[in-house]
Amino acid sequence: GENVEQHPSTLSVQEGDSAVIKCTYSDSASNYFPWYKQELGKRPQLIIDIRSNVGEKKDQRIAVTLNKTAKHFSLHITETQPEDSAVYFCAASKGGKLIFGQGTELSVKP
Amino acid sequence: GAVVSQHPSRVICKSGTSVKIECRSLDFQATTMFWYRQFPKKSLMLMATSNEGSKATYEQGVEKDKFLINHASLTLSTLTVTSAHPEDSSFYICSARQEVDTEAFFGQGTRLTVV
Repeated sequence: GENVEQHPSTLSVQEGDSAVIKCTYSDSASNYFPWYKQELGKRPQLIIDIRSNVGEKKDQRIAVTLNKTAKHFSLHITETQPEDSAVYFCAASKGGKLIFGQGTELSVKP
Repeated sequence: GAVVSQHPSRVICKSGTSVKIECRSLDFQATTMFWYRQFPKKSLMLMATSNEGSKATYEQGVEKDKFLINHASLTLSTLTVTSAHPEDSSFYICSARQEVDTEAFFGQGTRLTVV
């Protein structure tokens, strides 16, 4: 079955710096890759997603890149702000299942 | 975005009893619902995937007879933890989506404590 590995588990950056979170997946048939943000005490919320027929997608300060050959995808947050502090999850989906990575706790220091 | 409502948000039960958790999609028809167990501060472990009108597909290591999942309608899925034990204490969270490989929306989660 699908396995998603996410790194790093924790990430601390200064406000204004960029943050990068990386994920790898095992099933080459996976074709949908969402990223979720979970703030403390709240439910996960989708922040960006990408499909296997696209290599990169950007939404304001957030971008995701996908390398199908290497089976890895990354989340890039530029100009980080304290409100970006949260746990971020990557996920991979093939047909029915949605499998999540282990999560990255991002801390943005003012 | 769409709304998924999960109840109860917290439940305390005695060891040996059963607990039912409901997950409802309020404004869309959820063809697929997922049940996860979330460990402190981190990972979402997929327990099972349920499609409306069919049996749930359980992940390896998840006991089907202990975690009963029913997805009887396009807006409701239930997870029943049977004969609960202290080690079942955890945060359980559902998510639902309307179509394959589209955004999945999460419920607010249920904190289960078995005493």
